[in-house]
Amino acid sequence: DTGVSQDPRHKITKRGQNVTFRCDPISEHNRLYWYRQTLGQGPEFLTYFQNEAQLEKSRLLSDRFSAERPKGSFSTLEIQRTEQGDSAMYLCASSPSAVLSYEQYFGPGTRLTVT
Amino acid sequence: DQQVKQNSPSLSVQEGRISILNCDYTNSMFDYFLWYKKYPAEGPTFLISISSIKDKNEDGRFTVFLNKSAKHLSLHIVPSQPGDSAVYFCAASGSNFGNEKLTFGTGTRLTIIP
Repeated sequence: DTGVSQDPRHKITKRGQNVTFRCDPISEHNRLYWYRQTLGQGPEFLTYFQNEAQLEKSRLLSDRFSAERPKGSFSTLEIQRTEQGDSAMYLCASSPSAVLSYEQYFGPGTRLTVT
Repeated sequence: DQQVKQNSPSLSVQEGRISILNCDYTNSMFDYFLWYKKYPAEGPTFLISISSIKDKNEDGRFTVFLNKSAKHLSLHIVPSQPGDSAVYFCAASGSNFGNEKLTFGTGTRLTIIP
């Protein structure tokens, strides 16, 4: 299967701990996105990479959040000093860099529970 | 401010009948619209899309209609099948945004009754 993969699928952590999630996009896709989804809501945009460059960050992404895509392939999303409000599904998506290509392909997500 | 709205949280349809899911948007800069389907414990799966230069796009049992003047789009599924039971999200993007990020609605849970 050559779809988007995310690891881990589930993470339970205590408030104040740091967590890191990984996303492996579809191999030929240059664009990579992170979204967050809470109960009863649709996914909300967090940040976007074109190759290794992080081109946009949402105001939802506080200073405790950092994302990287060092070699333009996989990406990591780190949350420092987790809070209960960080509990959500974190989704990664990728898309090709063709002009006006809007379809994004999502991974299964990482469900974070902060206790 | 919810720029993409799905006002029906849930919808039940008899198997074999037509399912119609609706979506409204407020941002006139949106010019590309997508529908995603989501099963529990999985990520959203792309279903069908439409550009603002069209008013209809069809793919098998799925048809999306766009009414730009009303800022409204709908997804028609016919005939509906039990495997169509899922949460459906409407999403929008714009060619002027430069990043093609998607703005999603809150979803409609579709249940197909056998």
